[in-house]
Amino acid sequence: KQEVTQIPAALSVPEGENLVLNCSFTDSAIYNLQWFRQDPGKGLTSLLLIQSSQREQTSGRLNASLDKSSGRSTLYIAASQPGDSATYLCAVRTLKTSYDKVIFGPGTSLSVIP
Amino acid sequence: DAGVIQSPRHEVTEMGQEVTLRCKPISGHNSLFWYRQTMMRGLELLIYFNNNVPIDDSGMPEDRFSAKMPNASFSTLKIQPSEPRDSAVYFCASRYRGGAGNQPQHFGDGTRLSIL
Repeated sequence: KQEVTQIPAALSVPEGENLVLNCSFTDSAIYNLQWFRQDPGKGLTSLLLIQSSQREQTSGRLNASLDKSSGRSTLYIAASQPGDSATYLCAVRTLKTSYDKVIFGPGTSLSVIP
Repeated sequence: DAGVIQSPRHEVTEMGQEVTLRCKPISGHNSLFWYRQTMMRGLELLIYFNNNVPIDDSGMPEDRFSAKMPNASFSTLKIQPSEPRDSAVYFCASRYRGGAGNQPQHFGDGTRLSIL
């Protein structure tokens, strides 16, 4: 059974710092991995999607990497801003089902202090 | 694009009452998902529809929960009778399943449900 974990559970950093969020999954047979952002009282917004054949994806100040063999992904945020404060969730789409089953991690709550 | 629309945004009701949550997916999307989010269990998939047909409802907690998708633009999640442990935020998400197969899910803002 696929399990997804995220470390740390919470993170507080001063504005301007570069930071790394970690995601681990137990079964490397994945179709893709996504990073989402969730603001308080809101739904999830997709940030980056990495296919299983890819090593990384970039969007602006965000860079996500994928190491399928070790079951790990990282989300790198450069030059953090207070507007980056949110909960970040990773989600893996498994290959073991014939449809779009996506397993979510518990999330990392990020606070960027001005 | 209006995005995924859920209603109501908040629902407070007494134990034993019937609760109906509604979702309008993004036009053109053919897959729809209902999730439940709690502090203890995180985000859990309840049921998944593809082309209006339920594909997997193994995440539905028990028979008190039911979901329907009568057409491509509307879905409901019903709880009858409701219990305090059903209190959570319920999300609906949709995506287009086809082509390259890597389209992300788009989430609504959720319904915050409190059962007293």
